[in-house]
Amino acid sequence: DTGVSQDPRHKITKRGQNVTFRCDPISEHNRLYWYRQTLGQGPEFLTYFQNEAQLEKSRLLSDRFSAERPKGSFSTLEIQRTEQGDSAMYLCASSFWTSGSGEQFFGPGTRLTVL
Amino acid sequence: GQQVMQIPQYQHVQEGEDFTTYCNSSTTLSNIQWYKQRPGGHPVFLIQLVKSGEVKKQKRLTFQFGEAKKNSSLHITATQTTDVGTYFCAASFQGAQKLVFGQGTRLTINP
Repeated sequence: DTGVSQDPRHKITKRGQNVTFRCDPISEHNRLYWYRQTLGQGPEFLTYFQNEAQLEKSRLLSDRFSAERPKGSFSTLEIQRTEQGDSAMYLCASSFWTSGSGEQFFGPGTRLTVL
Repeated sequence: GQQVMQIPQYQHVQEGEDFTTYCNSSTTLSNIQWYKQRPGGHPVFLIQLVKSGEVKKQKRLTFQFGEAKKNSSLHITATQTTDVGTYFCAASFQGAQKLVFGQGTRLTINP
């Protein structure tokens, strides 16, 4: 399967713990995006990378959230000191971005539950 | 702020009826994309509209981008049970690269 993969698919943690999620994009894609989706809402943009550079981060994103894409391939999203409000589906997407091209391919997501 | 409003939030139709969802922005968009998310699934890209007044068709689906590039619609003719899911518009605003998603329209169908 050459689609976007995410690991783990589910994570249950206690409030105050740190969690890290991984995303493996489609190999030739140069852009990688992280979104958060809660029930009944559309995906909410968190951050995106072009190759290894983090180009934009949502102003709504707490400093407890950090993302990396060290070699321009896979990416990790870490949430420190989790809160119950962090419970959501975390989606990763990738694209091969050229001027005017924007199709994003989404992974299956990591569902986070904070107890 | 940069946001898109999508209506309706829910739509229930009889199989064979038509369905339309609308997406509106108060500011001019660079382009707009449409995604479908099946229950329990992840968003899947349907189409991208870039030009003012653009209309694109995919079988029973018709996508339109307004002349002012501030609104868009998705119309499904003669719905089938396979059309069930939530349809999202996702907008790019001029000068920005990220996508801003609407709240989605959840379509359910009575066979």
